[in-house]
Amino acid sequence: DGGITQSPKYLFRKEGQNVTLSCEQNLNHDAMYWYRQDPGQGLRLIYYSQIVNDFQKGDIAEGYSVSREKKESFPLTVTSAQKNPTAFYLCASSSGRDQPQHFGDGTRLSIL
Amino acid sequence: GESVGLHLPTLSVQEGDNSIINCAYSNSASDYFIWYKQESGKGPQFIIDIRSNMDKRQGQRVTVLLNKTVKHLSLQIAATQPGDSAVYFCAEKGRVNDMRFGAGTRLTVKP
Repeated sequence: DGGITQSPKYLFRKEGQNVTLSCEQNLNHDAMYWYRQDPGQGLRLIYYSQIVNDFQKGDIAEGYSVSREKKESFPLTVTSAQKNPTAFYLCASSSGRDQPQHFGDGTRLSIL
Repeated sequence: GESVGLHLPTLSVQEGDNSIINCAYSNSASDYFIWYKQESGKGPQFIIDIRSNMDKRQGQRVTVLLNKTVKHLSLQIAATQPGDSAVYFCAEKGRVNDMRFGAGTRLTVKP
């Protein structure tokens, strides 16, 4: 079954700690995206990557970093610089322009 | 309709009735739109999409209507079932081929 796998499902961060959220897809999609979802709000774009070894900042990239070393993988690091990291993080991928984005089931990040 | 904020618009319907969820989008140049369904604790699930060269598109039990004149999108669900209870988002294509999402509408289906 093709899809997007996000792990872990729940993650806790201590003060001053960096944490990395995993996103893997086996849909052979070129483009991948990270969104943040806060209660009662729409998804906001953190970073996106249209192709391997290339990625761009979205609307709320401060305090986050990404890498795209493989087509299948687009991990997101939430750094200690992100002062309000508690949120639901969603990874998505798409095959190209004007094609729907498909989402994983998210990682819920909380502060200890 | 959708709005940004802490309180989602809600729609409550009786099982078997038709549901209509509305969405106003912002960019008159947007040419691609999607409706997603999100259940609690899960990622958004694709329902149906529509391109700007169309006014209407039908899927299984769902219809999307696009009115470009007033920048309005609607999702109609026929014979709503309890399994349809979820938050529904409309999304428009952004400038970098990302999607721009509304805050969502919570649909509750009463048995």
